[in-house]
Amino acid sequence: GAGVSQSPSNKVTEKGKDVELRCDPISGHTALYWYRQSLGQGLEFLIYFQGNSAPDKSGLPSDRFSAERTGGSVSTLTIQRTQQEDSAVYLCASKAFQETQYFGPGTRLLVL
Amino acid sequence: GNSVTQMEGPVTLSEEAFLTINCTYTATGYPSLFWYVQYPGEGLQLLLKATKADDKGSNKGFEATYRKETTSFHLEKGSVQVSDSAVYFCAIEDFGNEKLTFGTGTRLTIIP
Repeated sequence: GAGVSQSPSNKVTEKGKDVELRCDPISGHTALYWYRQSLGQGLEFLIYFQGNSAPDKSGLPSDRFSAERTGGSVSTLTIQRTQQEDSAVYLCASKAFQETQYFGPGTRLLVL
Repeated sequence: GNSVTQMEGPVTLSEEAFLTINCTYTATGYPSLFWYVQYPGEGLQLLLKATKADDKGSNKGFEATYRKETTSFHLEKGSVQVSDSAVYFCAIEDFGNEKLTFGTGTRLTIIP
């Protein structure tokens, strides 16, 4: 079946602009995670959804970052007023109950 | 919180050499442990996992044993191939929200 998909695969934006990153999880997976992979920080957790609610937002680096999930499926990660330090690969993963996380290919974000 | 300490890279080996990548962790409770692999130009893939003490995860000739007494989950392979060249991440899963905490990653290059 289809895996986790993310769009766009690459995004170049100017400092100060807002960006939206999309994640389509595997059908039926109730849990969804966003991570960020950057040269300086490695792989770090951002936010976790169970259904449409986000019980753990502890990894969001600032209030410029937000995420939502609708219909227990698609999730959008929004970064407002982007900064150069936001440049990274943003990874989405989904999982079924007591199973392992499956990762999408990521969105490579470059802020100029 | 949980943390993972992973052997620094990069690691360069000749084909058919023996591989060990060290990983130790700190955690509360009895977390599940994982090795993920990222091949060049591809997304993160689960390589193997272990969910309780003394479990051995294995896949594609790689093995890792969950050692509670030493809080370790070292990755081993008896005879590496050029196709094993990738970045390897050790990870630990939080109890509850099951988010992953990753090590810094080890870049492995196998030369013919």
